[in-house]
Amino acid sequence: AQSVTQPDIHITVSEGASLELRCNYSYGATPYLFWYVQSPGQGLQLLLKYFSGDTLVQGIKGFEAEFKRSQSSFNLRKPSVHWSDAAEYFCVSGGYNKLIFGAGTRLAVHP
Amino acid sequence: DSGVTQTPKHLITATGQRVTLRCSPRSGDLSVYWYQQSLDQGLQFLIQYYNGEERAKGNILERFSAQQFPDLHSELNLSSLELGDSALYFCASSVAQANTEQFFGPGTRLTVL
Repeated sequence: AQSVTQPDIHITVSEGASLELRCNYSYGATPYLFWYVQSPGQGLQLLLKYFSGDTLVQGIKGFEAEFKRSQSSFNLRKPSVHWSDAAEYFCVSGGYNKLIFGAGTRLAVHP
Repeated sequence: DSGVTQTPKHLITATGQRVTLRCSPRSGDLSVYWYQQSLDQGLQFLIQYYNGEERAKGNILERFSAQQFPDLHSELNLSSLELGDSALYFCASSVAQANTEQFFGPGTRLTVL
């Protein structure tokens, strides 16, 4: 069955530090992969998506993610974190018409 | 702002009651999806409608039902409510029926007392 694993439940980084959030997916074919962000009390905002083609995808707010088929991974990165990036991040796999969400990684940013 | 609207924002009700959640998709989107976000289950897909027809079902209870109207807005009906139904319910929409990104509304927070 299709699944998404985010191994880190909580991550804390200092403002200005780099960030990498891990994601592993399980899917037979090449999946559609997304990262969504949920700020406290807010809905879900799409950060970036991978459908096919270039394995390094750029998103909004300075985020990028790299699709690695050999590792079944789709890790999210940002070179310098801002305090406003504190939120919950979901790695998501799209299988035809429904989205499969990972459990989420809650990011805290220290000043 | 994704362009997807949901009402109401908050809903507080008692066990055994019935409620209706409403969603208006982005202009031009034909697909509507419903998701439930709870502390113990995380974010789970409930059901999808495309241009008025049910297209996919996920972990939706029999006490829950949905429909999409000719103007493409959708309603999620929750009946015989239980304490465990307390959750954040999201609606999402997309242009296509499948294999496409989905845009999420702000959610309806349901509290069952």
